[in-house]
Amino acid sequence: NAGVMQNPRHLVRRRGQEARLRCSPMKGHSHVYWYRQLPEEGLKFMVYLQKENIIDESGMPKERFSAEFPKEGPSILRIQQVVRGDSAAYFCASSRDGDQPQHFGDGTRLSIL
Amino acid sequence: GQQLNQSPQSMFIQEGEDVSMNCTSSSIFNTWLWYKQDPGEGPVLLIALYKAGELTSNGRLTAQFGITRKDSFLNISASIPSDVGIYFCAGRFIQGAQKLVFGQGTRLTINP
Repeated sequence: NAGVMQNPRHLVRRRGQEARLRCSPMKGHSHVYWYRQLPEEGLKFMVYLQKENIIDESGMPKERFSAEFPKEGPSILRIQQVVRGDSAAYFCASSRDGDQPQHFGDGTRLSIL
Repeated sequence: GQQLNQSPQSMFIQEGEDVSMNCTSSSIFNTWLWYKQDPGEGPVLLIALYKAGELTSNGRLTAQFGITRKDSFLNISASIPSDVGIYFCAGRFIQGAQKLVFGQGTRLTINP
């Protein structure tokens, strides 16, 4: 039962370093979404991608954050020059198409020292 | 941005009791989804609703898509210990926009 796989589950970085979060969608799913969750809050949309295309990045910070979903391999969320405020749980979801329900991975918990 | 108001924020109930929670919005939604999140894990889809007025059940869970398309509720009947967790409503509010907007969550605690 291969669900959405995210790695690493936990990631610790020092301020100024880069963080790379990976997401492999469910089998048969070609739509990927990234969300961020702060403690005691709901998830906030960041970006929506299909293979090799960014469809909606309206929730992405303008600087330091980027996402890709290459033809081969997992989707990557990249955060450059991390700051303390980037500490959060980052969740990836996938769906078969844009109208189907999104299924979530177990997240990557990013801690910035 | 668009907001979903989810209530109550927390519930403390006895095992066996029924539970009801709801979400409201000032905007029209085209899809309502209900998720449950356990500590350290991702949200797990419980019920998906696509039409105004739709009433859908999944075991002891029942959810409805409000007629006005601006609200939804989730009921859990005869609660059991494994129902403990945080429940989130989520919706798509614009036709063709695939991102989900989430409520703030309802934390359910059950006393045995």
